[in-house]
Amino acid sequence: AQSVSQHNHHVILSEAASLELGCNYSYGGTVNLFWYVQYPGQHLQLLLKYFSGDPLVKGIKGFEAEFIKSKFSFNLRKPSVQWSDTAEYFCAVKSGGSYIPTFGRGTSLIVHP
Amino acid sequence: DGGITQSPKYLFRKEGQNVTLSCEQNLNHDAMYWYRQDPGQGLRLIYYSQIVNDFQKGDIAEGYSVSREKKESFPLTVTSAQKNPTAFYLCASSELHQSYNSPLHFGNGTRLTVT
Repeated sequence: AQSVSQHNHHVILSEAASLELGCNYSYGGTVNLFWYVQYPGQHLQLLLKYFSGDPLVKGIKGFEAEFIKSKFSFNLRKPSVQWSDTAEYFCAVKSGGSYIPTFGRGTSLIVHP
Repeated sequence: DGGITQSPKYLFRKEGQNVTLSCEQNLNHDAMYWYRQDPGQGLRLIYYSQIVNDFQKGDIAEGYSVSREKKESFPLTVTSAQKNPTAFYLCASSELHQSYNSPLHFGNGTRLTVT
């Protein structure tokens, strides 16, 4: 069965710092990869997704993620975070012919102004 | 605006009582899902449904039941058999249920507290 690891459970940054959140998955076949974000008091929403083509995908609000197949990774990055990026971030993977995504445990990001 | 509506936002129940959480979508999506979110554990799948009158157990279905009598509705009942029901419950939907790149759309969630 697919498993998804988000190694950073809590991240605290100051505004303008660079961000990288790790996401690793276990299944080695064809995968579709997603990052979702949950801002305080709001519903989970899609940040970005990868299913084929350019392994560097760009999402909303200046976020990007890079799919590295050899490392089974899909890390999320932002060069300069803002206070409004404070949220919980979830990595999700669809694989093995299943359309049901497997979610990671989430990373709580706090950005200090 | 299209979306997913979960109600109520907060729900309080006494131990031993069954409780039903509502989820309605007007996105015309085929598939609907129920997840449970606990701190530090991410989202865990309870039940999902691909089409009306059909649903499948997820990873943590014990103590829960669902129905899918209409395409737009997927209520979740938390029964008294669920050992640890206090949690945040999320409903989601997706189009083209067999499309592997279609993302999930989520509701705002229901926070259930059982005492």
